[in-house]
Amino acid sequence: GDSVTQMEGPVTLSEEAFLTINCTYTATGYPSLFWYVQYPGEGLQLLLKATKADDKGSNKGFEATYRKETTSFHLEKGSVQVSDSAVYFCALPGMDSSYKLIFGSGTRLLVRP
Amino acid sequence: DAGITQSPRYKITETGRQVTLMCHQTWSHSYMFWYRQDLGHGLRLIYYSAAADITDKGEVPDGYVVSRSKTENFPLTLESATRSQTSVYFCASTWDRTSYEQYFGPGTRLTVT
Repeated sequence: GDSVTQMEGPVTLSEEAFLTINCTYTATGYPSLFWYVQYPGEGLQLLLKATKADDKGSNKGFEATYRKETTSFHLEKGSVQVSDSAVYFCALPGMDSSYKLIFGSGTRLLVRP
Repeated sequence: DAGITQSPRYKITETGRQVTLMCHQTWSHSYMFWYRQDLGHGLRLIYYSAAADITDKGEVPDGYVVSRSKTENFPLTLESATRSQTSVYFCASTWDRTSYEQYFGPGTRLTVT
């Protein structure tokens, strides 16, 4: 079935460092792809999305490009801040009647001052 | 408060007890979901609802019961709690399930002893 694989965390970076969080997927066809973020003590919130191959989603300085050739949707940010410390989830639609999201296991990011 | 809220935020209960987790949203979203978050598994769908009085099972429904008598509320009941149900539970809602842009509550951390 469809699935999402994310890199293991935690990822620890210094402020202003470059961030990459890897995400690969297995799916039938070319579904939309999502990154959700969970800040400490809060629920998940949508960070960005891409709806078709070669699309680039972006928000708050984060970017991810939908690459069908490598079935990947890696999350990047050029200069992280302490406030970016959170858990990041890659997700794709579960193509059934529930309209659920299928999530990766999450990657915790810790940014040190 | 506007948005989606969950209560309690933390709960400790004993094996065999019944416990109900509450979810309330103020947007009048038709679609609501219950997920559980376990280490290494990401989030998995327990139950979902397309409207008041319409509910259906997700991936991991065993041991759980839901109801939805009002659009804004979607309580999740563990009929006889087991240790394997120790988890973080997230409620989510959306007005457009085909967008897969879901809005999540802050979660309930449940420990079954």
